[in-house]
Amino acid sequence: GQQLNQSPQSMFIQEGEDVSMNCTSSSIFNTWLWYKQDPGEGPVLLIALYKAGELTSNGRLTAQFGITRKDSFLNISASIPSDVGIYFCAGQGYGGSQGNLIFGKGTKLSVKP
Amino acid sequence: NAGVTQTPKFQVLKTGQSMTLQCAQDMNHEYMSWYRQDPGMGLRLIHYSVGAGITDQGEVPNGYNVSRSTTEDFPLRLLSAAPSQTSVYFCASSYVYTGELFFGEGSRLTVL
Repeated sequence: GQQLNQSPQSMFIQEGEDVSMNCTSSSIFNTWLWYKQDPGEGPVLLIALYKAGELTSNGRLTAQFGITRKDSFLNISASIPSDVGIYFCAGQGYGGSQGNLIFGKGTKLSVKP
Repeated sequence: NAGVTQTPKFQVLKTGQSMTLQCAQDMNHEYMSWYRQDPGMGLRLIHYSVGAGITDQGEVPNGYNVSRSTTEDFPLRLLSAAPSQTSVYFCASSYVYTGELFFGEGSRLTVL
């Protein structure tokens, strides 16, 4: 089946640093999404991207939908302790069973105060 | 709003036992789904539904059954639990195929 390659698997950064993570696929998607999971909680949607080349921000978060439709990245600027968690990318295809989300394996972010 | 509610939050089963994980949403979402999350594996789709009376298999459906008799509820049944089904299970819902899923808090299942 389809797979998403998300990197890095984990990151240990200092508070105030910028963070960058990305996701690639061998298949094209019509939607890319980024979710964050806090410990012991379910994932929460951060950003959704619907057009190739689209660049979208949500506060300190910025995400882009790759022009090839096969990749996406998420940047976090000036990290703070509450940014700790697991970040998942997800891709969605066109209709039918392809409308289901495919998730990456996650990037675990740790922030040192 | 309660959003997506899952029960129970924790459960321990013995091999061969059956049980049902409950999921309810109050957002009138057509689409509902069940995922399992295992360390290093991300979220894998078990079953999904695009409306009452309609269900279909996801990536890892074996050993699980679902039904969708109402828009609000989407229970997941484990027919004969196996240790390989030890996992954290998440129910999620959305307007049909938007991808903007709302997740429950998860149900942590251990099969001994």
